[in-house]
Amino acid sequence: EDQVTQSPEALRLQEGESSSLNCSYTVSGLRGLFWYRQDPGKGPEFLFTLYSAGEEKEKERLKATLTKKESFLHITAPKPEDSATYLCAVQATTDKLIFGTGTRLQVFP
Amino acid sequence: ETGVTQTPRHLVMGMTNKKSLKCEQHLGHNAMYWYKQSAKKPLELMFVYSLEERVENNSVPSRFSPECPNSSHLFLHLHTLQPEDSALYLCASSRRTGGNYGYTFGSGTRLTVV
Repeated sequence: EDQVTQSPEALRLQEGESSSLNCSYTVSGLRGLFWYRQDPGKGPEFLFTLYSAGEEKEKERLKATLTKKESFLHITAPKPEDSATYLCAVQATTDKLIFGTGTRLQVFP
Repeated sequence: ETGVTQTPRHLVMGMTNKKSLKCEQHLGHNAMYWYKQSAKKPLELMFVYSLEERVENNSVPSRFSPECPNSSHLFLHLHTLQPEDSALYLCASSRRTGGNYGYTFGSGTRLTVV
């Protein structure tokens, strides 16, 4: 069965304290791995798509990496405005996106 | 107006009411989705429409009834709901199914069943 597990469930960081979020997956035939950011009361906002192991993508303080079993979202020198829930999803041969439960990130000044 | 727009943003309904959620996309996408988001649970895919045809129904109770009159509009008709149906209902669209395209989500409708 296709499955996505995100850790930690919640993460509290001091402003400027870099860290990483993990997304582990088991899926038959990965076609894409997606990272989304979700603010309270809003829908998920697309961040990155990764297609193959070894691929990396960056956007401002965020960098996403992918291996055959997991993806990491690295946050470098985070700011309070980076506080949100970060969702990981995989797309397999069935087309649909399978989501993890997310990591709730809080960055304190 | 661009993106995916959902209305209403908030909805409180009794268990005997009938209401509808509306979703509209202006991105030229031809696949649309309904997801349910409950606290501490992954997003649950409810329905998939591709080119206005329902291609997936994930064992959703019949008290939820989707409708897709054209590629830009998607509705979710609700009737005789249960308190456990209270959740955030998200609409999404994508370029098409069968490809690895990301979804664009609306802001959701926060539904409370009393």
